Amino acid sequence: DTGVSQDPRHKITKRGQNVTFRCDPISEHNRLYWYRQTLGQGPEFLTYFQNEAQLEKSRLLSDRFSAERPKGSFSTLEIQRTEQGDSAMYLCASTPMGKYTEAFFGQGTRLTVV
Amino acid sequence: DQQVKQNSPSLSVQEGRISILNCDYTNSMFDYFLWYKKYPAEGPTFLISISSIKDKNEDGRFTVFLNKSAKHLSLHIVPSQPGDSAVYFCAASGSGTSYGKLTFGQGTILTVHP
Repeated sequence: DTGVSQDPRHKITKRGQNVTFRCDPISEHNRLYWYRQTLGQGPEFLTYFQNEAQLEKSRLLSDRFSAERPKGSFSTLEIQRTEQGDSAMYLCASTPMGKYTEAFFGQGTRLTVV
Repeated sequence: DQQVKQNSPSLSVQEGRISILNCDYTNSMFDYFLWYKKYPAEGPTFLISISSIKDKNEDGRFTVFLNKSAKHLSLHIVPSQPGDSAVYFCAASGSGTSYGKLTFGQGTILTVHP
């Protein structure tokens, strides 16, 4: 198993464009989380899935953000009409059943909105 | 509101000495506390955890102490090694529906000098 994989690693986009990120979790993990990290801060929770069900969304997640996890496998995070304030590292993590605090993180996708 | 705080942005320690990283929290509903380590260009990696029913947990060179009355936890690394140089994040999780949703501190950059 190669761990949690995120694609792309880097994304530069113009303000107003839409972007989509992908996360492939560790195969037997049933929970998948998205976090956002800005410079000098720790990761902030955005949303999480248990299998294909999205169970919680942070109030940080405006209506421009949407996440999916079809069939409980990979997940996508889409940001519509990007703003400069969306520039951050977007981290995906997955956890095994019953050990939900021991998250395995991917390397992240760094988004720069210009 | 910063529910988990790491007030020391950085710490410098000599190889072989003890490293002590501190973390304070405000939310009394947190039941699990964790430390994650992050190297540049990688996602955070789980290091050690402690539940609120314990006051100490040890794993090799790493020991986490929890003082619930003071809402304070610390990570001790003994002896420190140059490979321990990284950013250390303190994190906390509630139980029930919040179990697994992590709230992170801002991080402390640890530098261990040979």
